[in-house]
Amino acid sequence: QKEVEQNSGPLSVPEGAIASLNCTYSDRGSQSFFWYRQYSGKSPELIMFIYSNGDKEDGRFTAQLNKASQYVSLLIRDSQPSDSATYLCADGGADGLTFGKGTHLIIQP
Amino acid sequence: DAGVIQSPRHEVTEMGQEVTLRCKPISGHDYLFWYRQTMMRGLELLIYFNNNVPIDDSGMPEDRFSAKMPNASFSTLKIQPSEPRDSAVYFCASSRGTLPDTQYFGPGTRLTVL
Repeated sequence: QKEVEQNSGPLSVPEGAIASLNCTYSDRGSQSFFWYRQYSGKSPELIMFIYSNGDKEDGRFTAQLNKASQYVSLLIRDSQPSDSATYLCADGGADGLTFGKGTHLIIQP
Repeated sequence: DAGVIQSPRHEVTEMGQEVTLRCKPISGHDYLFWYRQTMMRGLELLIYFNNNVPIDDSGMPEDRFSAKMPNASFSTLKIQPSEPRDSAVYFCASSRGTLPDTQYFGPGTRLTVL
């Protein structure tokens, strides 16, 4: 059974700094990975996905994938208090999304 | 578009009762997913449908759980009989196609079984 591991946190980052969120996955054959953000009491919303080795940038967000190390990361530049949330990493396979338990990120003003 | 609609938003019931959760996907989306989220287990896929047909129900925890999709605009997740360990937030999500098409989540139903 697929597994996605994330450090639950909380990860505390000062406002304006870079927040780095990490995730490892168990299935070496996995091709695509997704980052979702979930505010407390709300539903998950997609930030971005990546399926090629290397970096993918979207605004203040950069996703990084290293298939050899089975490692995915999300960088948030110029962190804002509104970025405080739980970030879920997911492995996207033929049988749907397998989520990690999420990392709780706190941006300190 | 109104997004994915779920009802009820909150449900409190007693052990042994039947619970029915409802979902209306985004119009034009061919895929519908039911997830359960708890602190202990995180967000888990229970079952998903493609064009109203159940494709993978391997995540359904036991026979007490059943899901149906009688048409493209409506799905139900039923628990009978309910148990306290079923307490969780249940999310419905829909997508236009298969991954990597974006899955859009509904607001969720918070179920409490006493």
